[in-house]
Amino acid sequence: ILNVEQSPQSLHVQEGDSTNFTCSFPSSNFYALHWYRWETAKSPEALFVMTLNGDEKKKGRISATLNTKEGYSYLYIKGSQPEDSATYLCAPGGYSTLTFGKGTMLLVSP
Amino acid sequence: DGGITQSPKYLFRKEGQNVTLSCEQNLNHDAMYWYRQDPGQGLRLIYYSQIVNDFQKGDIAEGYSVSREKKESFPLTVTSAQKNPTAFYLCASSITGSGANVLTFGAGSRLTVL
Repeated sequence: ILNVEQSPQSLHVQEGDSTNFTCSFPSSNFYALHWYRWETAKSPEALFVMTLNGDEKKKGRISATLNTKEGYSYLYIKGSQPEDSATYLCAPGGYSTLTFGKGTMLLVSP
Repeated sequence: DGGITQSPKYLFRKEGQNVTLSCEQNLNHDAMYWYRQDPGQGLRLIYYSQIVNDFQKGDIAEGYSVSREKKESFPLTVTSAQKNPTAFYLCASSITGSGANVLTFGAGSRLTVL
């Protein structure tokens, strides 16, 4: 089982603030890294899947980067909105299975 | 609309009883997964199946069993051997078993042992 660390555990920001989270993982046997957003009472929803060192992905105000050599990924949210409030999960993995971190819970106040 | 349906949403079980959680997908995905969530922990993999009639144990398979007789269906049985079954269970699927494929999740089933 991979040791996946996500930080911070939780975050409370004001609307309009930009924020970022970190996902750390062992760099050996790496195949892919996933980011999911999980809103309360809904199913986790995929944000990004990255496989290559140096990968950068963007979806609207949300972007992510990947460093497979040092074993970390950053998720950035620019100009947070209340609808961004959710738990953000990262999941690195080998070819067949993923290991999920505990998540970062984001609350954006109006 | 394509998606994953889990049932029941809530389930109560007496100690010593087996219970089966249903997971059905109409996405034509080859791979299906069962995860468990406990407070303060990440999603943990119970079982996964990359193809019909084949499945593999995940990180916490003890006390659980699965079957994959049809591509669309991947039921999970929580047996009486599972020592702490109260948890939230999520089913997911992906196009193939490759770790680079996005997971699509169901809405989950919450099991409470009385």
